[in-house]
Amino acid sequence: DGGITQSPKYLFRKEGQNVTLSCEQNLNHDAMYWYRQDPGQGLRLIYYSQIVNDFQKGDIAEGYSVSREKKESFPLTVTSAQKNPTAFYLCASSVYSGPLHFGNGTRLTVT
Amino acid sequence: GENVEQHPSTLSVQEGDSAVIKCTYSDSASNYFPWYKQELGKRPQLIIDIRSNVGEKKDQRIAVTLNKTAKHFSLHITETQPEDSAVYFCAARGGSNDYKLSFGAGTTVTVRA
Repeated sequence: DGGITQSPKYLFRKEGQNVTLSCEQNLNHDAMYWYRQDPGQGLRLIYYSQIVNDFQKGDIAEGYSVSREKKESFPLTVTSAQKNPTAFYLCASSVYSGPLHFGNGTRLTVT
Repeated sequence: GENVEQHPSTLSVQEGDSAVIKCTYSDSASNYFPWYKQELGKRPQLIIDIRSNVGEKKDQRIAVTLNKTAKHFSLHITETQPEDSAVYFCAARGGSNDYKLSFGAGTTVTVRA
């Protein structure tokens, strides 16, 4: 939606499994981001990428990994090392110093 | 890094009244301050933003003010309507990093009919 597509909308996994969340954008934005949202908390930055083949850790990167092989794509892997993976995950993109445009999110439930 | 604090966490207003949400930031070099609205189960959407070279910006019933000296900025919604009920997030970016955006914890606004 709005040029940023996240899939799937809902994802269920067993504890101990890695899971990859998809994020694709057709806005030709250079930068892409992953945020985590928990009830009663703001959006916390996991990773962001300013350019292809480069990315930086955000505030809560432990237990997550990303790749940026194409400008349009920025997948997030939630690894088994992430202690509390159940959350709402939002992907976003932007141009340099511009506002973030968000996807519709993926709600991950790990049991 | 940047730390953004947002108050209040919840706000209930009578339809037609005004709502004000306040945020403070820690990095004096921050230069971009957007506000997002998130309805239940949906993605955050930008409603207004302001850059550090401007003190106030308005868009119909919504306005944002920025006080760089005090490092705080506020969202003002006038003549509130039921569709204004949502969670509102402030954010700040800048200093040495023109990409990283730090968010406040959010304010749940309820407009009573």
